[in-house]
Amino acid sequence: DQQVKQNSPSLSVQEGRISILNCDYTNSMFDYFLWYKKYPAEGPTFLISISSIKDKNEDGRFTVFLNKSAKHLSLHIVPSQPGDSAVYFCAATISDNNDMRFGAGTRLTVKP
Amino acid sequence: DTAVSQTPKYLVTQMGNDKSIKCEQNLGHDTMYWYKQDSKKFLKIMFSYNNKELIINETVPNRFSPKSPDKAHLNLHINSLELGDSAVYFCASSLPGNTIYFGEGSWLTVV
Repeated sequence: DQQVKQNSPSLSVQEGRISILNCDYTNSMFDYFLWYKKYPAEGPTFLISISSIKDKNEDGRFTVFLNKSAKHLSLHIVPSQPGDSAVYFCAATISDNNDMRFGAGTRLTVKP
Repeated sequence: DTAVSQTPKYLVTQMGNDKSIKCEQNLGHDTMYWYKQDSKKFLKIMFSYNNKELIINETVPNRFSPKSPDKAHLNLHINSLELGDSAVYFCASSLPGNTIYFGEGSWLTVV
């Protein structure tokens, strides 16, 4: 039962352009969403998060948008840099719950 | 200082063996986890402990047994290893419902 889905396994963009990574979820109880970034041979590292009371959260080049009615969130990276090349995992949880569900990840490649 | 550290990073072992992966966090978090990243790259939760008590136990074979001697440690012991156990196992920790911090992963290969 995959409650968090990332339907694009890979994405390739040119340096300087915008990268948009998408994520859908099915559990309407989720109220906190996160994006993690993973380089090869390393563990996932936290990137940015958003609470369900917001529809947008921005941190430098990274912006996460949440559309609760569509159960959809997206991560925008602008401008994209070659160092952003990694696998990005979308995650969702219920506040104060000890469980977190992850999507399958999207491999982003930023070409110089 | 590594916040969540797990050892060994790489482990190659034969079918039928028993092995353990150790995990320690120095973040002062109450909650620790074991996640498995399978061949399809899904990150799936296996166990969650809060203050040494088991909170989440997903559908995982009984051959997998977590042990939490204190809230800074959560070790994973696997009995009678099978080929299908080959995966990357990630330890993690967090405050309840908050951002999860992962270790670097332990690459287990069963031959």
